[in-house]
Amino acid sequence: AQSVTQLGSHVSVSEGALVLLRCNYSSSVPPYLFWYVQYPNQGLQLLLKYTSAATLVKGINGFEAEFKKSETSFHLTKPSAHMSDAAEYFCAVSVAGSARQLTFGSGTQLTVLP
Amino acid sequence: SAVISQKPSRDICQRGTSLTIQCQVDSQVTMMFWYRQQPGQSLTLIATANQGSEATYESGFVIDKFPISRPNLTFSTLTVSNMSPEDSSIYLCSVRVRGQGETQYFGPGTRLLVL
Repeated sequence: AQSVTQLGSHVSVSEGALVLLRCNYSSSVPPYLFWYVQYPNQGLQLLLKYTSAATLVKGINGFEAEFKKSETSFHLTKPSAHMSDAAEYFCAVSVAGSARQLTFGSGTQLTVLP
Repeated sequence: SAVISQKPSRDICQRGTSLTIQCQVDSQVTMMFWYRQQPGQSLTLIATANQGSEATYESGFVIDKFPISRPNLTFSTLTVSNMSPEDSSIYLCSVRVRGQGETQYFGPGTRLLVL
């Protein structure tokens, strides 16, 4: 079975600072990895995904994530935070197979300070 | 991607009543799912909605409490039955789209408050 751990339930950064949201996964087979963002009172929006192609994945809104197999990590970064980035971010993993379920991390609330 | 709509977007219900949530997708869908997001929590999979057959429920969720229908490829309903305040959550429909493999897209959610 697969699992996801997001380190830090709350992260605060200043506007213009680097955003780093951490995600580590556990999977016995090669995983598919996703980052979603949830703005207040909205559903989940796909930010980016890793599906065994390039290890550095670029997503929407200037976000990117790097798949590091040796570290079982898929951290999300953005060079310069904007006020509009304030939201809840979820890392998720799935594996190919009969179940193919999407397992979510516990989420990280990003606050951007002026 | 896919455009997913859910109805209602929110509701306030009385204890003991039932609410049916609809999910409509504009794309060819391979799989449909229903998730629950309790206040301040992450997402938990309730069930996979199967076209023309009974849904596949995850541990802790039962058909009597959360009956699901999927009469065609692009439409599904989730009913929350005999509601209690503990059912207050966001309920989200999610789909996988033909040609896009493992990627899942989510609807806007239905925000349910049970008094």
